[in-house]
Amino acid sequence: NAGVTQTPKFRILKIGQSMTLQCTQDMNHNYMYWYRQDPGMGLKLIYYSVGAGITDKGEVPNGYNVSRSTTEDFPLRLELAAPSQTSVYFCASSYLMGIGQAHQPQHFGDGTRLSIL
Amino acid sequence: AQSVTQLGSHVSVSEGALVLLRCNYSSSVPPYLFWYVQYPNQGLQLLLKYTTGATLVKGINGFEAEFKKSETSFHLTKPSAHMSDAAEYFCAVSENNNDMRFGAGTRLTVKP
Repeated sequence: NAGVTQTPKFRILKIGQSMTLQCTQDMNHNYMYWYRQDPGMGLKLIYYSVGAGITDKGEVPNGYNVSRSTTEDFPLRLELAAPSQTSVYFCASSYLMGIGQAHQPQHFGDGTRLSIL
Repeated sequence: AQSVTQLGSHVSVSEGALVLLRCNYSSSVPPYLFWYVQYPNQGLQLLLKYTTGATLVKGINGFEAEFKKSETSFHLTKPSAHMSDAAEYFCAVSENNNDMRFGAGTRLTVKP
């Protein structure tokens, strides 16, 4: 009963490098989300997906890309890492009936702590 | 767009005392409201949510919250704090517009 699994847990990148944060869920949830959490602030939505093949931007999408080729996986890609992307990244999922539902993330991963130097 | 204000970034209570964490929201439509808890080095866990219906919502671990439309509030309470309740708590508001906003969080400390 794994829930939402994120890898890696920690990573240090140099400015300009690229990487992919992995997220997988085993609950057959249709909605998946990527958030970032900065110190002293709440979570901000980067991208979300309402099902395989469908993704959309959230509040802070610049500098990131996502894909959703399967129900289970929702990777987040940083193409050109910048210091402003130092943060803790959380993937979440939920099951909602239909498209266009109000977001209700139910299950969260334990996060990926990313530092860009 | 909707927004959330959590009053007090830090709250400290004694074990056995009442826990009250305050949340006020702004929304142009009837909102969905949530409380999440985050323990160190973990993701958020959903404590409770209000969507429609009864305005007093009961959640896990003995927490409850009441939706008060007239006060635009959704305060979280627990009658008796336990040491295990020490964590960070986030209030969030969601509208039916593919967006959800979180408050900045309140760190709860429980003193023995």
